Amino acid sequence: GAVVSQHPSWVICKSGTSVKIECRSLDFQATTMFWYRQFPKQSLMLMATSNEGSKATYEQGVEKDKFLINHASLTLSTLTVTSAHPEDSSFYICSANFPAGGTYEQYFGPGTRLTVT
Amino acid sequence: SQQGEEDPQALSIQEGENATMNCSYKTSINNLQWYRQNSGRGLVHLILIRSNEREKHSGRLRVTLDTSKKSSSLLITASRAADTASYFCASPQGGSEKLVFGKGTKLTVNP
Repeated sequence: GAVVSQHPSWVICKSGTSVKIECRSLDFQATTMFWYRQFPKQSLMLMATSNEGSKATYEQGVEKDKFLINHASLTLSTLTVTSAHPEDSSFYICSANFPAGGTYEQYFGPGTRLTVT
Repeated sequence: SQQGEEDPQALSIQEGENATMNCSYKTSINNLQWYRQNSGRGLVHLILIRSNEREKHSGRLRVTLDTSKKSSSLLITASRAADTASYFCASPQGGSEKLVFGKGTKLTVNP
């Protein structure tokens, strides 16, 4: 149980275009999902918390108009990188909270590698 | 904000040896979680240890937690080449569900 999928696994796009990344909890419902960004050989940086039925909460320094998050259902959150630029190239990972005895364990998707040319 | 700091940053061992990674954090936590990440892949949840637990086992993994020292360790026994990966500790930030990750330890197990 507790499987999270991401689609696509990789994408190449041209500067100025928008890219949508999907994150799905396959066998459980997730009221809260998270979006991270990871640069090569670095740790994960939390971008935003995605809440089902409400607006996402963005971390300091993350442009909410650039990274649009929609948590339309209990099993799906999407991240749209708008007007992408080469500096947006990165590995994007989502996760979903899975209840575990009064607390939560986060389960991660396999990641999406975005390359903007 | 609290942050897990793993050490060592990199560890290279031979197959069959044990690998120990340490994690320190700054503020009180409810639980601490360890994850593994293979190169270019997502994170795999390994184990969660609660603040009232001192030790937890899962297969070849042994995690300890010392809340007085604000530290945790992950021990992988009888390592295998397939254990080669980066290992991260993470703990919830304050009372929220957000996890704060350490910088990770890159483990290389040589066959």
